[in-house]
Amino acid sequence: AQTIHQWPVAEIKAVGSPLSLGCTIKGKSSPNLYWYWQATGGTLQQLFYSITVGQVESVVQLNLSASRPKDDQFILSTEKLLLSHSGFYLCAWSHSISNERLFFGHGTKLSVL
Amino acid sequence: AQSVDQPDAHVTLSEGASLELRCSYSYSAAPYLFWYVQYPGQSLQFLLKYITGDTVVKGTKGFEAEFRKSNSSFNLKKSPAHWSDSAKYFCALGNNNNAPRFGAGTKLSVKP
Repeated sequence: AQTIHQWPVAEIKAVGSPLSLGCTIKGKSSPNLYWYWQATGGTLQQLFYSITVGQVESVVQLNLSASRPKDDQFILSTEKLLLSHSGFYLCAWSHSISNERLFFGHGTKLSVL
Repeated sequence: AQSVDQPDAHVTLSEGASLELRCSYSYSAAPYLFWYVQYPGQSLQFLLKYITGDTVVKGTKGFEAEFRKSNSSFNLKKSPAHWSDSAKYFCALGNNNNAPRFGAGTKLSVKP
């Protein structure tokens, strides 16, 4: 069975500090990977997606970047956090881009102070 | 342009009533449509999907949704509703060569 793990579960960071969030998928080769951002109580905003290792497509950047260094790993990062980065970050995977369901990780709650 | 609209930010009803959460979409090709549920403080869980074929699709937790091409809708239904159905529900549109696009969500409150 496939599993998805996000780390950390929660972060409290200062404005201007760097950030790195991670996501690992086990039991599935060559998954499609996604990052979504959710403001508190809000909708899900697509950030990035990746079809293959080393290739990441940006939907909305929000002063963030993403990388896929391994087939099973997806990293979201920034060198300088903004207050507006606060929220809930969700990693997800699917079998294909458009017609398959997403499997979500438990999410990372980020508070920028 | 591709879009998903959930016009009702909040829906409140009593336990035992029938629920229907609205979703409309705009997409030039055949749509792939999904419903997900998010309980407070948790991530999203898949409920059901429409790809093609039968216009009524059944999902988990007793939910079903009806696809209507005529008015570009994909409404989520359940009867009767239970207090444990209280959560936020998201409709999503599969988006060729891109990440699925989500609606703004509908927060459902079911009063015991």
